[in-house]
Amino acid sequence: AQSVTQPDIHITVSEGASLELRCNYSYGATPYLFWYVQSPGQGLQLLLKYFSGDTLVQGIKGFEAEFKRSQSSFNLRKPSVHWSDAAEYFCAVLGANFGNEKLTFGTGTRLTIIP
Amino acid sequence: ETGVTQSPTHLIKTRGQQVTLRCSSQSGHNTVSWYQQALGQGPQFIFQYYREEENGRGNFPPRFSGLQFPNYSSELNVNALELDDSALYLCASRLYPPGGNYGYTFGSGTRLTVV
Repeated sequence: AQSVTQPDIHITVSEGASLELRCNYSYGATPYLFWYVQSPGQGLQLLLKYFSGDTLVQGIKGFEAEFKRSQSSFNLRKPSVHWSDAAEYFCAVLGANFGNEKLTFGTGTRLTIIP
Repeated sequence: ETGVTQSPTHLIKTRGQQVTLRCSSQSGHNTVSWYQQALGQGPQFIFQYYREEENGRGNFPPRFSGLQFPNYSSELNVNALELDDSALYLCASRLYPPGGNYGYTFGSGTRLTVV
């Protein structure tokens, strides 16, 4: 069964500082991986996704993530955070056999930005 | 290109009642999935519909049921509501076959409160 672990429940970062959010996954085949962001009371917005190829993927809002198969990780990074980045971030893995195509999400990391 | 729209945005129901939530998929998408997100948790997969049939289901009881219509819109029905059903219900749509793009588009959700 697929699973996702986000070890950090809450992270606080100063505005302008760099950010790394951790994600570890468990999946029996080549994973399809996603990062979503959710503002309070809102739906999920896709930041970036990894299917194959280059292990460093670029997303929207200046975010990037690196897929490391050996570590079963897909960590999200941003070189300099902005106050508007404060939100909840979810990592997800997709089971890609049709009929079993469900996104399995981690429990999320809440990001707080301080001035 | 319109995104995924869900209605209503908020709903309050009494324990034991029944509720219907609605979702219009993004233009061009033919597959709809539903997720339940309890407070402070990541979304949990309920089920997916393709060609008006359920083709994947998570660990939810039969009182959670759904429909997909010929225009690919969808409904989530929950019978005999329980207090634990209080959550944000998210609808996501995508195109199958994906043609290499496995991106899901999420709606903003329906906040259901059961009292």
